[in-house]
Amino acid sequence: GEDVEQSLFLSVREGDSSVINCTYTDSSSTYLYWYKQEPGAGLQLLTYIFSNMDMKQDQRLTVLLNKKDKHLSLRIADTQTGDSAIYFCADSGGYNKLIFGAGTRLAVHP
Amino acid sequence: DAGVTQSPTHLIKTRGQQVTLRCSPKSGHDTVSWYQQALGQGPQFIFQYYEEEERQRGNFPDRFSGHQFPNYSSELNVNALLLGDSALYLCASSSAADTQYFGPGTRLTVL
Repeated sequence: GEDVEQSLFLSVREGDSSVINCTYTDSSSTYLYWYKQEPGAGLQLLTYIFSNMDMKQDQRLTVLLNKKDKHLSLRIADTQTGDSAIYFCADSGGYNKLIFGAGTRLAVHP
Repeated sequence: DAGVTQSPTHLIKTRGQQVTLRCSPKSGHDTVSWYQQALGQGPQFIFQYYEEEERQRGNFPDRFSGHQFPNYSSELNVNALLLGDSALYLCASSSAADTQYFGPGTRLTVL
């Protein structure tokens, strides 16, 4: 069935770049999404990429998609302490039913 | 413009009880999806409502049911609560099959 996998934890120094990786299994995905969740909160949409694109840049965020390997990554430039959160990769199934990974916890330290 | 709203924020129930959670979609959105997020996990799709009908359902038992009203707001009902139903319940709204925007969630604790 459909599955999305992410590494569980990433620690970076403030000012460095963060790269969060994700793999998915559904080859019929139309869109792939990145959401951010802060403690005790809902999910905030960060960005998304259409499946026929290789890259999308949005301010400090860069999304790379390798459709052949079914690999998605999110790069955050100049990572700040306010970026500390859990980041979820999501694959869109039929009618845009979202299949989420387990989330990557990003810790930013001085 | 208000985003997606959910009520209540927190809820405590005991095993065997029934619960109703509510969601109001973002203005202009006609589709509501519900997700369950257990502690330390990613959200799991429960079901999606469009035009007052359940359009798609995830792998959840019939104890989970829902409704969508003519104003596009939605309810999630869970009967015969189990301890394992304790989770954050997230509602997301969208325009048809477009990008989903999430509400703050309802934290349900079953004792």
